[in-house]
Amino acid sequence: RKEVEQDPGPFNVPEGATVAFNCTYSNSASQSFFWYRQDCRKEPKLLMSVYSSGNEDGRFTAQLNRASQYISLLIRDSKLSDSATYLCVVNHSGGSNYKLTFGKGTLLTVNP
Amino acid sequence: SAVISQKPSRDICQRGTSLTIQCQVDSQVTMMFWYRQQPGQSLTLIATANQGSEATYESGFVIDKFPISRPNLTFSTLTVSNMSPEDSSIYLCSGLQEGGREQYFGPGTRLTVT
Repeated sequence: RKEVEQDPGPFNVPEGATVAFNCTYSNSASQSFFWYRQDCRKEPKLLMSVYSSGNEDGRFTAQLNRASQYISLLIRDSKLSDSATYLCVVNHSGGSNYKLTFGKGTLLTVNP
Repeated sequence: SAVISQKPSRDICQRGTSLTIQCQVDSQVTMMFWYRQQPGQSLTLIATANQGSEATYESGFVIDKFPISRPNLTFSTLTVSNMSPEDSSIYLCSGLQEGGREQYFGPGTRLTVT
C-alpha cells in the first residue's frame, strides 16, 4: 500500500460545481496533514492544514478521519482559478524528525 | 513566510557531467529539504540538508550521487553527479521555519540530461 494515496483524477467540472478529493494514508502514527496546491510548472504551495475536528477556509473544507486514515478536501462553488493539482500531504514523523510525504496529486480543471 | 530562489531555473546537461543547484532563502529556516519531481509524479524527498553536518538521505539516494551542502541557515546546494538521462527531473528546494507548519518551496530547477 502506498504511503499516501489519492483519487487518480483528473476531475473536469463546470464553474460553480462542488468537487471532493479523497486521500488515504498508511501510517497510523502520522502526525499532521495538509493539502497543497500545485499550478502547472510551479512549485507546491500550502492550501490548508487539516485538523482532527475538520476545518474550513472560505470555499474549502478539509476533513480528517484518523480511524479510517482518510483525508478529504471539498471545494464549493469552484472557480476557474481553482484549476490546479491538489496534493495530499502527510507528516509521518513526529517531533524533530519531520518528513512530509506527498501523494501523486489530483488534477482539477474547472471549465467555464 | 519565506521566499526561496533556486539557480539555475533550468539546464540541459550531457550524461556523465555534474550540475550544482543553489537554493537561497530570504530568511532563516530551521530545516531545508531537497525533492525530486518527475513528470506526472509526486514529490520524492531526496534528503534533509543539515547545517554544518552531513545531509540525511532517504532510501534510494546516496551522498556520492547527490552531495548536499548547507553552510548556514539560508543557503544550500544539491549536486547531481555523473548524470544520466534518468536524472532528468525537476529538483525542488524547500524550507521550514522554526515552529512553522508550512513548508515553502523554491520554483524548482528543470534538468534535462541528454
